[in-house]
Amino acid sequence: SQTIHQWPATLVQPVGSPLSLECTVEGTSNPNLYWYRQAAGRGLQLLFYSVGIGQISSEVPQNLSASRPQDRQFILSSKKLLLSDSGFYLCAWSVQGTNQPQHFGDGTRLSIL
Amino acid sequence: GQQLNQSPQSMFIQEGEDVSMNCTSSSIFNTWLWYKQDPGEGPVLLIALYKAGELTSNGRLTAQFGITRKDSFLNISASIPSDVGIYFCAGPPSGGSYIPTFGRGTSLIVHP
Repeated sequence: SQTIHQWPATLVQPVGSPLSLECTVEGTSNPNLYWYRQAAGRGLQLLFYSVGIGQISSEVPQNLSASRPQDRQFILSSKKLLLSDSGFYLCAWSVQGTNQPQHFGDGTRLSIL
Repeated sequence: GQQLNQSPQSMFIQEGEDVSMNCTSSSIFNTWLWYKQDPGEGPVLLIALYKAGELTSNGRLTAQFGITRKDSFLNISASIPSDVGIYFCAGPPSGGSYIPTFGRGTSLIVHP
C-alpha cells in the first residue's frame, strides 16, 4: 500500500533563517505531488504541485520554492523565512490523471520567531 | 477561480445526534471528495463520489453526489466524540483538472 512521510513534524525557526521540509511517497510510481499551507483559519492553500521529476508549478508567488529531485521526493524550501511563513504545511500525493483524490501526509507545524 | 461553499462553518452537537453538512459550487464537478482532519494531522479521505446521484456509505458516514453535479452532502449518524474534527469537501472542477478545489471546512465538536 502507499504511504506518505513528512518531516519534521514540528519546527521552530528564527526569522531570516532557511527552510527545508521533505516529503516522500512509497508504494507508487510517478505520482502527482503537492505542497499546501494551512493557516489558522483552516483553509488549504495550494503552494506548489508537480507532475514529474524537475517539473514544478507555483500557485502563489512568495519566498518559498519547491523541488522534486526524485520521483517520489518533494522538498519545500526557503532561503529566508518571514513571520508570515508560519503555518501548517501539508504534502499530498495523487495518482496521475484527472479526478484522482489526494492523500495527505501528517503535516509540519512551522513556527517563526 | 472555482469556489466551494461549505456549510455550516461550525457545529456543536451532543453525542448521539446526527450531523449533516453540505458543499455547493458555482461550477459542475466530476468528482466530489470528503475529508476529515483531526487536530494536528493531515486530512484523511473519507468518501469519494464519481457519479451524479451516487450515494456512498462508510460506516456511519453517508455522502451523496448531487444530481445537478454542483453540490454534495455528508451525513454522520449517531455521532461520537471521536467524530470531532474539521470536515472538508473537495473536487476537481470539470474540464480535466487534477487540482482539487477545497471548501473552507466544517468544524465539528461533539459534547459527550
